[in-house]
Amino acid sequence: AQKVTQAQTEISVVEKEDVTLDCVYETRDTTYYLFWYKQPPSGELVFLIRRNSFDEQNEISGRYSWNFQKSTSSFNFTITASQVVDSAVYFCALSGGLNTGTASKLTFGTGTRLQVTL
Amino acid sequence: DAGVIQSPRHEVTEMGQEVTLRCKPISGHDYLFWYRQTMMRGLELLIYFNNNVPIDDSGMPEDRFSAKMPNASFSTLKIQPSEPRDSAVYFCASSLVAGQGRTEAFFGQGTRLTVV
Repeated sequence: AQKVTQAQTEISVVEKEDVTLDCVYETRDTTYYLFWYKQPPSGELVFLIRRNSFDEQNEISGRYSWNFQKSTSSFNFTITASQVVDSAVYFCALSGGLNTGTASKLTFGTGTRLQVTL
Repeated sequence: DAGVIQSPRHEVTEMGQEVTLRCKPISGHDYLFWYRQTMMRGLELLIYFNNNVPIDDSGMPEDRFSAKMPNASFSTLKIQPSEPRDSAVYFCASSLVAGQGRTEAFFGQGTRLTVV
């Protein structure tokens, strides 16, 4: 069975601080995908990133960066110089690899609520 | 592209009534998913389709829930009869063919269902 743990329920930071959201996963699949989604107060789920288990390179996109460490089964998300608009619930998710038959079936963590204040 | 379109955005109904939620996936996507989000259980997958065929409905809570996908551009999730514990936000999502490696799902804006 697959499992995603986001131990941080809620984080509060002041604007311009850096913040890291933790994600730990469990899977028996040898290949899998990891994802991050953002759910702003308006309620929709916005896709942020997909990472293949074969690719452990870290990724940076503007103020966002992701650190994938297979050795610790973690896929952490860092926001640099946070802004009020970053306030949202962030979900980490996991799916099986293309050869598992579950590549499209997402298992979500419970989410981390990020509050960025002025 | 307009993205995944769900209707209605909000639904308030009385216990025992039938509720139908509708979804139009992104054109060209082969997978369609129905998720439910509640405070207690978080985001849980109810059912998903591949090329209009239901693949896994193990997440459907009870026989009161049913889902159909009559064609590639339309799906419904029906609850009959509805109960107060069905109150939740229901999301529809779609994704490309898994074989292309782009397996991320794109979500609609959700339907907030309240059963009183």
